Amino acid sequence: KAGVTQTPRYLIKTRGQQVTLSCSPISGHRSVSWYQQTPGQGLQFLFEYFSETQRNKGNFPGRFSGRQFSNSRSEMNVSTLELGDSALYLCASSPGQGGYEQYFGPGTRLTVT
Amino acid sequence: GESVGLHLPTLSVQEGDNSIINCAYSNSASDYFIWYKQESGKGPQFIIDIRSNMDKRQGQRVTVLLNKTVKHLSLQIAATQPGDSAVYFCAVRNQFYFGTGTSLTVIP
Repeated sequence: KAGVTQTPRYLIKTRGQQVTLSCSPISGHRSVSWYQQTPGQGLQFLFEYFSETQRNKGNFPGRFSGRQFSNSRSEMNVSTLELGDSALYLCASSPGQGGYEQYFGPGTRLTVT
Repeated sequence: GESVGLHLPTLSVQEGDNSIINCAYSNSASDYFIWYKQESGKGPQFIIDIRSNMDKRQGQRVTVLLNKTVKHLSLQIAATQPGDSAVYFCAVRNQFYFGTGTSLTVIP
């Protein structure tokens, strides 16, 4: 069974731009979560989607948004990029909502200049 | 809400020694805990989990101990190998709250 895939793997953007990251979960998994990882803050939860609905949300500004499609694939968008948004963005999928082991993708490394 | 924290940000051990990585959690109602391992350039990977009705669970070279009284869990790695060098995270239900991780370095 194929693992979680994320595209693109690397991205360089300029302040003020917006970016869209994509995540394809493991086949059959309906929950997709997004995390931001930085050296200083560690692994921070952004949001979780299940059956195309956002079920949980972390403490991030409204510039960070996401969505999930009927095939469980998910995208996250960051608008008006700031230098501090430079991070590794990880996507994880699991069979159900909460309480399940998560399977992480390799991440998208976003650099904002 | 829930929070987790690992006790040490870094840990260095000699190859062949046993490693112990600690984690504290805040919510006494937490009932499911997971340890993840993140190697350089990769996303976190599941190592082992434990439910609150257990005190100990063993896997291959890894053991997780849960002390509900003091809200503490630990990951023990036996005969640590260079391939164990990674960042280790503990997570609690609903799995959205991770510690900052403990970076384990194995010295050959």
